[in-house]
Amino acid sequence: NAGVMQNPRHLVRRRGQEARLRCSPMKGHSHVYWYRQLPEEGLKFMVYLQKENIIDESGMPKERFSAEFPKEGPSILRIQQVVRGDSAAYFCASSPSRANEAFFGQGTRLTVV
Amino acid sequence: GIQVEQSPPDLILQEGANSTLRCNFSDSVNNLQWFHQNPWGQLINLFYIPSGTKQNGRLSATTVATERYSLLYISSSQTTDSGVYFCAVEDGQNFVFGPGTRLSVLP
Repeated sequence: NAGVMQNPRHLVRRRGQEARLRCSPMKGHSHVYWYRQLPEEGLKFMVYLQKENIIDESGMPKERFSAEFPKEGPSILRIQQVVRGDSAAYFCASSPSRANEAFFGQGTRLTVV
Repeated sequence: GIQVEQSPPDLILQEGANSTLRCNFSDSVNNLQWFHQNPWGQLINLFYIPSGTKQNGRLSATTVATERYSLLYISSSQTTDSGVYFCAVEDGQNFVFGPGTRLSVLP
């Protein structure tokens, strides 16, 4: 049973471009969480999704950021018109249900130049 | 929302020493986990422990849910234990991380 897979591992974008981060949850997991970690800081919650539904997006900036978890395929975190301040590590986690153990992927390190 | 505090923020140990890391949370939780983020940034699950005590090798953890804290014990520390230790709690809304304890184990 493969773990949570995130790709790409590293992503470089110029200011103004779009960044697409992918997360494939563990088999049998229908709950996905996205977190952002700035250098030397902790993980900040962004969004919580369950298949085809956004459950809680209270941690996600209102503009330029969106997330989806379609019926088929990975969860996608999309950042439009990236700025330097978007440079961070983005982690996703999956779990089979709420209040259950969550497992994290290896993260995508986004660098905006 | 729920608040999570961790102490100490930084800890330096000599190899072989023991340590206790603490996590306090402000409200009742459905889920509590401890993670180790290694120097390469990878998050490793240590314990899923909403209550009670668990042990895994040199590590053990105890959560006293009624008093809203959890402890992570590291015995006979090794240099490979270095990194940041996070606790994270779920309050039914989302999964909130503490600020972490940065551990450095010196040879």
